[in-house]
Amino acid sequence: NAGVTQTPKFQVLKTGQSMTLQCAQDMNHEYMSWYRQDPGMGLRLIHYSVGAGITDQGEVPNGYNVSRSTTEDFPLRLLSAAPSQTSVYFCASSYSRQGDTEAFFGQGTRLTVV
Amino acid sequence: GENVEQHPSTLSVQEGDSAVIKCTYSDSASNYFPWYKQELGKRPQLIIDIRSNVGEKKDQRIAVTLNKTAKHFSLHITETQPEDSAVYFCAANPLTGTASKLTFGTGTRLQVTL
Repeated sequence: NAGVTQTPKFQVLKTGQSMTLQCAQDMNHEYMSWYRQDPGMGLRLIHYSVGAGITDQGEVPNGYNVSRSTTEDFPLRLLSAAPSQTSVYFCASSYSRQGDTEAFFGQGTRLTVV
Repeated sequence: GENVEQHPSTLSVQEGDSAVIKCTYSDSASNYFPWYKQELGKRPQLIIDIRSNVGEKKDQRIAVTLNKTAKHFSLHITETQPEDSAVYFCAANPLTGTASKLTFGTGTRLQVTL
């Protein structure tokens, strides 16, 4: 099993550009989520999904969209990038939608918005 | 929503000493408390977790304690080794409806010196 795979690993965007961060898991997990990691602020939840066709907002959803058309994939879209979105982004999946099982993280995407 | 506070933000210990990291949470409904270790440039990985019906759990040199009444839980690492140097995150899982929004602390950077 590959686990959770994120692409790309690094990305530089200009302010106002859009892009999609890809996330795929091969563990048949129902629950998938996106976090951003900023220095001194830990991991903050952006959006999450409990299954295909179901998504909901996390702690910091503004400026981001998600969709879940299949169990395996959970892409994160930045509609109009801003410097405040410079961060490291992690996708994660877990077996239980109740959050009481291990979260498996992707390798992360380091995004810089200039 | 849930608020998880983690202390200290940095911790330096000598090899062989013990390290203790403490977290408090606000939502009394949280029932699962994982700890993640993140090495520099890597993804977070689960090292130990505890559920609300258990007061203490141990795995070799790592132990976690939970006090539900006081809403705090702690990570204990004994006989520290240089490879324990990393950032450690605690988390709690408040349930929103039927889904969890896993909430992380801000992290503790542990440095084990020779």
